[in-house]
Amino acid sequence: AQRVTQPEKLLSVFKGAPVELKCNYSYSGSPELFWYVQYSRQRLQLLLRHISRESIKGFTADLNKGETSFHLKKPFAQEEDSAMYYCALRGGGADGLTFGKGTHLIIQP
Amino acid sequence: EAGVAQSPRYKIIEKRQSVAFWCNPISGHATLYWYQQILGQGPKLLIQFQNNGVVDDSQLPKDRFSAERLKGVDSTLKIQPAKLEDSAVYLCASSLDRSAGRTEAFFGQGTRLTVV
Repeated sequence: AQRVTQPEKLLSVFKGAPVELKCNYSYSGSPELFWYVQYSRQRLQLLLRHISRESIKGFTADLNKGETSFHLKKPFAQEEDSAMYYCALRGGGADGLTFGKGTHLIIQP
Repeated sequence: EAGVAQSPRYKIIEKRQSVAFWCNPISGHATLYWYQQILGQGPKLLIQFQNNGVVDDSQLPKDRFSAERLKGVDSTLKIQPAKLEDSAVYLCASSLDRSAGRTEAFFGQGTRLTVV
């Protein structure tokens, strides 16, 4: 069975401070990992995926297979980063995503 | 490019009633998903279609939930009869043909169902 764990329901940081949203997964094979974001009153949208190894809106995430983690990081938080963030996994031959419960990120001015 | 369209946006029904949700995916997207998101949880996959065929419905409660995508474009998800625990946001998503490789899933705004 595959599982995604996001240990923090809520994370509050000040503008300009570093941000790290944690994500751990359980999967026996080689998964694909994603971060999705949902801004207030907007639909769920892809932020980044591990195979792209790119930085989006200043966010990066590295897949650590040894620790089975895919933490999302940003060195300097901005107020517009406030949103719900979901870590998701796609494994095996299936295309459907397994999501974590999400972390509500609040950036305080 | 138009996004994934869902209707209605909100629905309130009494338990034991029936309800149906509609989804129109992005044009050209062969793969369509229905997810259920209960308050405080992440989305959970209910069913995945490839064109008009079901790829994965292992988490669909088939005693009360059904879904179809008859012409390989629009899809409907039905609950009959509804229970209180079905209160959730129902999300539709679509992506390009899975045979073309793993592609991004685009989500609709969702339908918020309240069962009273």
